[in-house]
Amino acid sequence: DQQVKQNSPSLSVQEGRISILNCDYTNSMFDYFLWYKKYPAEGPTFLISISSIKDKNEDGRFTVFLNKSAKHLSLHIVPSQPGDSAVYFCAAGGADGLTFGKGTHLIIQP
Amino acid sequence: DVKVTQSSRYLVKRTGEKVFLECVQDMDHENMFWYRQDPGLGLRLIYFSYDVKMKEKGDIPEGYSVSREKKERFSLILESASTNQTSMYLCASSRLVPPNEQYFGPGTRLTVT
Repeated sequence: DQQVKQNSPSLSVQEGRISILNCDYTNSMFDYFLWYKKYPAEGPTFLISISSIKDKNEDGRFTVFLNKSAKHLSLHIVPSQPGDSAVYFCAAGGADGLTFGKGTHLIIQP
Repeated sequence: DVKVTQSSRYLVKRTGEKVFLECVQDMDHENMFWYRQDPGLGLRLIYFSYDVKMKEKGDIPEGYSVSREKKERFSLILESASTNQTSMYLCASSRLVPPNEQYFGPGTRLTVT
């Protein structure tokens, strides 16, 4: 049973626009949430995280929003750039470590 | 900067061979992890370790074993490689206490023929 779901396998966004990647989770015991970015043939790199006691965290062009009542988080990238084309993994952390979603492939169109 | 290195980027092995994948981290992290990544399946945890000589099964441990003799090194072993173990293998490390984001190595693309 998937505890962390990324329902969009892929997303296409025009350069300069906002990219919004979504993630849903089922376990209310998760303490923190993270987003990773992965290029082909490379390991995932950590992007941004948010604690369960916050509802927003911002780092440059990246903002993560957490809606605990809906068990939903999203990653906003503004403005989207060609180098943002990658697979993005959502992860949720708790006592048992991290649980990853299956990823969303973001494609930035020129 | 955290550095996690993996012994090989690409590996080709035959069915039935014993395969060793090695991972080294230089940040004195307590936790180390082995994942495999397959298209459409995301990252699946094989094994993790929170201390030297300690190991815990992840979601898909069958067909794998691990070894952690030193804090900085975590090895994944395929006792008898099979074609369904063809995958991208990713090692990661993290601190024991939050915030404990995981730092990943570059991955090993293993092909079993």
